[in-house]
Amino acid sequence: DIQMTQSPSSLSASVGDRVTITCRASQSITNFLNWFQQKPGKAPKLLIYSASSLQSGVPSRFSGSGSGTDFTLTISSLQPEDFATYYCQQTYSPPLTFGGGTKVEIK
Amino acid sequence: EVQLVESGGGLVQPGRSLRLSCAASGFTFDDYAMHWVRQAPGKGLEWVSGISWNSGSIGYGDSVKGRFTISRDNAKNSLHLQMNSLRPEDTALYYCAKDIALVSGSGSYFDYWGQGTLVTVSS
Repeated sequence: DIQMTQSPSSLSASVGDRVTITCRASQSITNFLNWFQQKPGKAPKLLIYSASSLQSGVPSRFSGSGSGTDFTLTISSLQPEDFATYYCQQTYSPPLTFGGGTKVEIK
Repeated sequence: EVQLVESGGGLVQPGRSLRLSCAASGFTFDDYAMHWVRQAPGKGLEWVSGISWNSGSIGYGDSVKGRFTISRDNAKNSLHLQMNSLRPEDTALYYCAKDIALVSGSGSYFDYWGQGTLVTVSS
């Protein structure tokens, strides 16, 4: 099975900060990496698919990059509504594993 | 508007069975693969199972293999998860999710999720 490791597991940041979350796969997954945002009590929401493609309706301050085993989600200027938990997921091969999550909290 | 509505959750004793359902609307159900994803209280997301558009390709997570069975009824726009031999560690919110492809994998992704149904396994 492909293991997905996210870091950090949590971070504190201020509104306007640039935030970077990393996700590492245990083997190459080419660019088959997706990012989700989840707020408390809500279902996950797709932000980025295929490592760097922005899902329709998602603000352009979110961006993704990477290929192979190392990936990054960047929020260019953190907004109040961005405080949430973020998950990466590989869809290269089943089981379609998720990272452990990164909780972004208010500083 | 795409809607996914899960049902069938509840409190069940260890070793017993439960069947979850997901009613889909707002899209052509048999054009897409579907999935179950769960989230234990206070924990992260775990992919449980996925099924292709025609049920020809099915996969399971390691922790449920041999105990859970996914199925779909394209005539009724519904997805199901038969859960047998339930364990306390199966306690979670179970989400139904829609894939963007006929068959999952190789770059597909989940574009819509339901709100989940809670399963609690306890004596």
